[in-house]
Amino acid sequence: EDQVTQSPEALRLQEGESSSLNCSYTVSGLRGLFWYRQDPGKGPEFLFTLYSAGEEKEKERLKATLTKKESFLHITAPKPEDSATYLCALLPAGSYQLTFGKGTKLSVIP
Amino acid sequence: DVKVTQSSRYLVKRTGEKVFLECVQDMDHENMFWYRQDPGLGLRLIYFSYDVKMKEKGDIPEGYSVSREKKERFSLILESASTNQTSMYLCASSPGTSPPSETQYFGPGTRLLVL
Repeated sequence: EDQVTQSPEALRLQEGESSSLNCSYTVSGLRGLFWYRQDPGKGPEFLFTLYSAGEEKEKERLKATLTKKESFLHITAPKPEDSATYLCALLPAGSYQLTFGKGTKLSVIP
Repeated sequence: DVKVTQSSRYLVKRTGEKVFLECVQDMDHENMFWYRQDPGLGLRLIYFSYDVKMKEKGDIPEGYSVSREKKERFSLILESASTNQTSMYLCASSPGTSPPSETQYFGPGTRLLVL
């Protein structure tokens, strides 16, 4: 069974304190791994898609990396506006259906 | 920019009412999806559609139906609303089925309360 586990469930950082969010997964064949950001009461906003182990993508203070078992979302020198819930989702080979993790709620304190 | 819109941000309905949630995308995407999101359970797929008039069940289709008469519009129907259908409903669309066009883009969500 395809599974996605995100850790930690919640993370509090001081402004400027870099850290990483983890997404561990099990899947028979991976077609893609996706990261989204979700603000309270809103729909998820697309951040990155990763397709193969070793791939990295960056956007402003965020960098996503992928191995064969997990993905990391690295946040460098975060700001309060980076506070949100970050969702990881995998798309198995041969499927239309995303499997989502429960998310990591990030709070960045000024 | 990809734009997915949902007809209502908030809805309050009575038990037993028929409820229609509408979703429109303006990017000529092939695929459209309906999810519900509940605390502690995450996002769960209700139905998806890969073409006009085509639909596939997701993980939790019971109590719901869908309609896709036009490519840009995907409707979720609660035939007889129940209190356990109180939730945040999210619509998404994706361009196609081959990399890199599988990315799903989400609408703002409809928060439904069934009394």
